[in-house]
Amino acid sequence: RKEVEQDPGPFNVPEGATVAFNCTYSNSASQSFFWYRQDCRKEPKLLMSVYSSGNEDGRFTAQLNRASQYISLLIRDSKLSDSATYLCVVNGDWDTGRRALTFGSGTRLQVQP
Amino acid sequence: ETGVTQSPTHLIKTRGQQVTLRCSSQSGHNTVSWYQQALGQGPQFIFQYYREEENGRGNFPPRFSGLQFPNYSSELNVNALELDDSALYLCASSPDSTNEKLFFGSGTQLSVL
Repeated sequence: RKEVEQDPGPFNVPEGATVAFNCTYSNSASQSFFWYRQDCRKEPKLLMSVYSSGNEDGRFTAQLNRASQYISLLIRDSKLSDSATYLCVVNGDWDTGRRALTFGSGTRLQVQP
Repeated sequence: ETGVTQSPTHLIKTRGQQVTLRCSSQSGHNTVSWYQQALGQGPQFIFQYYREEENGRGNFPPRFSGLQFPNYSSELNVNALELDDSALYLCASSPDSTNEKLFFGSGTQLSVL
């Protein structure tokens, strides 16, 4: 089983649509969670951190469910510029000394005009 | 721009050769991590350097090695190249070893023929 699992997509949605991505992780001791965005042939960039209380940044909302080891990202009012691959990222288990980010394979979003 | 620069941007090598990739971290950042991203996959953690010492390593063989210099720039060396080493190699710098804030360079695309 992969440490971080995501639906690879692609998700093809019209402009203005609401789209949700889900992610599960296997290491219950993981401490920190993030969503990164990666445009085609570019480097990943931090989109937002994910907190247990849920957090919102404009049209983007992230949720974390530690009990289910589940992370979500909701994008409202999709724009053409939102087309990208969205990477679910989990920070390592500090108790074992691992201090690295584990990336999912990414979910590709294509917003259509 | 993240302030993290990598060189070269593209490289073609043949099987069995050796390669050195370089990374200049963002000013003030003392931690550098290297990731390998195969086509269609998320980045995979290779190793991390904190103040010139390796302090974390992923599931990569010893032929993947690295260095961090006093100015916190870094090198990734790969010996005895294999076809499966073809990938985008990403360097990321961070102000500390927690990886809570990670800034990626634009990567080196390595092709092994």
